[in-house]
Amino acid sequence: DIVMTQSPDSLAVSLGERATINCKSSQSVLSSSNNKNYLTWFQQKPGQPPKVLIYWASTRESGVPDRFSGSGSGTDFTLTISSLQAEDVAVYYCQQYYSTPVTFGQGTKVEIK
Amino acid sequence: QVQLVQSGAEVKKPGASVRVSCKASGYTFSSYCMHWVRQAPGQGLEWMGMINPSGDSTTYAQKFQGRVTMTRDTSTSTVYMELSSLRSEDTAVYYCARADSGYFYLIDYWGQGTLVTVSS
Repeated sequence: DIVMTQSPDSLAVSLGERATINCKSSQSVLSSSNNKNYLTWFQQKPGQPPKVLIYWASTRESGVPDRFSGSGSGTDFTLTISSLQAEDVAVYYCQQYYSTPVTFGQGTKVEIK
Repeated sequence: QVQLVQSGAEVKKPGASVRVSCKASGYTFSSYCMHWVRQAPGQGLEWMGMINPSGDSTTYAQKFQGRVTMTRDTSTSTVYMELSSLRSEDTAVYYCARADSGYFYLIDYWGQGTLVTVSS
């Protein structure tokens, strides 16, 4: 199984400041056949299901604000919130879909400082 | 718009089984896979398995092999997940989640979740 490890487990950021979440996979999720990274970032707010923010590691889902961006390749990935807003308080998960079983990171809780 | 509407909360005794349904609308049901993911209270997300668009193939996480069954009814656009031999550790919110038509493991939409409580 591919193990996904996120860091940090939680972070507190001031409104308008940058938030950065890292995700590392135990093996590469980059496909040589199509040069795509099989990684998604989800946002989950309390009492709600997860919501897709980013897929293919860097493709923003339709309707997601452009302050959210994804980067990285192979085994190391980053989700950046360029200017944190109050509505961004949530838990963020990375997920690989390169191979079964699909696996998730443990989550990173983002709060306002 | 895509909607996945799940059945209501359940309370079960240890050893019992539970069946959760997920009714899809707003897209061509027979063209997409459906996954099931669970989340224990205050915990992260755990993938349980998936069923393919035609319903003739399933892939289960090893942890749930022998205890989980996923089926789908094309006539009602509904997917079912049955978990047997329930224990207290199965208390969780269970989500159905649709997968992209081209990439069976790229999850794009989620149901609202169904809380299953296992308690004597």
